[in-house]
Amino acid sequence: GESVGLHLPTLSVQEGDNSIINCAYSNSASDYFIWYKQESGKGPQFIIDIRSNMDKRQGQRVTVLLNKTVKHLSLQIAATQPGDSAVYFCAENMAPNSGGSNYKLTFGKGTLLTVNP
Amino acid sequence: DVKVTQSSRYLVKRTGEKVFLECVQDMDHENMFWYRQDPGLGLRLIYFSYDVKMKEKGDIPEGYSVSREKKERFSLILESASTNQTSMYLCASSFRWASGSVVYTQYFGPGTRLTVL
Repeated sequence: GESVGLHLPTLSVQEGDNSIINCAYSNSASDYFIWYKQESGKGPQFIIDIRSNMDKRQGQRVTVLLNKTVKHLSLQIAATQPGDSAVYFCAENMAPNSGGSNYKLTFGKGTLLTVNP
Repeated sequence: DVKVTQSSRYLVKRTGEKVFLECVQDMDHENMFWYRQDPGLGLRLIYFSYDVKMKEKGDIPEGYSVSREKKERFSLILESASTNQTSMYLCASSFRWASGSVVYTQYFGPGTRLTVL
């Protein structure tokens, strides 16, 4: 989704449902992608990552899908729980071979996930 | 577990004051980063450091400086705080293989919410 002004895209789901959060990335040369979770008042936490030589990667209750053709990334959370309520954002690496800048990430603006009990 | 700590969770300063934000990581990571996070703008890189005494400007370095005298510590300095520097400041670190291969995953501290009056 797209953010409008100060408002994040929001996804509201019922507890127990599956959640899908989407992210469009910008750089076709990016070859590494990360999903972060940020709870209110806390720093971002690493959830899962994927390299561009993969289409799918699974973790515990989470799956990341990568579609390089349309530069799209998604995070699927199975059996969503109230503790999953947070802002989720994706990150991509900067173009490689750029010297000291080789370690940088570009972050999306995030999606607010709200889980209703 | 990687632990990144920041010296303060909340800080209130007056316009014109010199402000120091401290970040310490305990995992012997080579790379350290300072971001600010504002509603609607996401995470923006201020400065990063890929080695002791080394630094590179990020996307919004104006009004900030940094210091990295020891590997585990990265300080952000606001030379003369202004109200437009009111924000959430996040520190992060990442690892680099001895071979020079890049590990992109960044681990974040809890953040410092700075208010400049």
